Amino acid sequence: NIVLTQSPATLSVTPGESVSLSCRASQSISTSIHWYQQKSNESPRLLIKYASQSISGIPSRFSGSGSGTDFTLSINRVESEDFSIYYCQQSYSSLNTFGAGTKLELK
Amino acid sequence: QVTLKESGPGILQPSQTLSLTCTFSGFSLSTYGMGVGWIRQPSGKGLEWLANIWWDDDKYYNPSLKNRLTISKDTSNNQAFLKITNVDTADTATYYCARTPLAHYFDYWGQGVMVTVSS
Repeated sequence: NIVLTQSPATLSVTPGESVSLSCRASQSISTSIHWYQQKSNESPRLLIKYASQSISGIPSRFSGSGSGTDFTLSINRVESEDFSIYYCQQSYSSLNTFGAGTKLELK
Repeated sequence: QVTLKESGPGILQPSQTLSLTCTFSGFSLSTYGMGVGWIRQPSGKGLEWLANIWWDDDKYYNPSLKNRLTISKDTSNNQAFLKITNVDTADTATYYCARTPLAHYFDYWGQGVMVTVSS
């Protein structure tokens, strides 16, 4: 199984700050990484596909980068609605896996 | 408009078989490249991928649960199914189904169905 390690587990920020969330794969997975946002008591929402490709309807402050084993989800100027949990998921292997998540919380 | 909705028993006892149904609209599982996946989430914990089924009836399972999982589909009625045998309290979770084009990312998710395993 491909293991995805997300860091940090929790990130405390104030609105207006820009942040970067990390996802590291246990082996090279090209750009087969996808990012999701999950707000409390809601289903996950796809934010970014294939490491850096944008999704229709997602605010432009969300962006992704990386390839191989190291990936980053960046949020430019965090807004109050962004405080939630973020997960990465790999599809390089047909046996999909998710990272454990990073919780973005209000400082 | 793509929608998915999960249904299940709500509560069941240890050792029983959990049967889940995903009823969807706005796409077809007979379309080349289309797939449906099942993902679960225990309360307060992270997402765990369980299984995917593809348009050509190819199936993939989480190795840690593989012996207990069976995924299937009814293309005519736009439904996908997941069975988990011999459940125990560790299977208590919210279960989601989601569309997965080319079995890559999950772009549309159902609202989830809570399942409790308790004696």
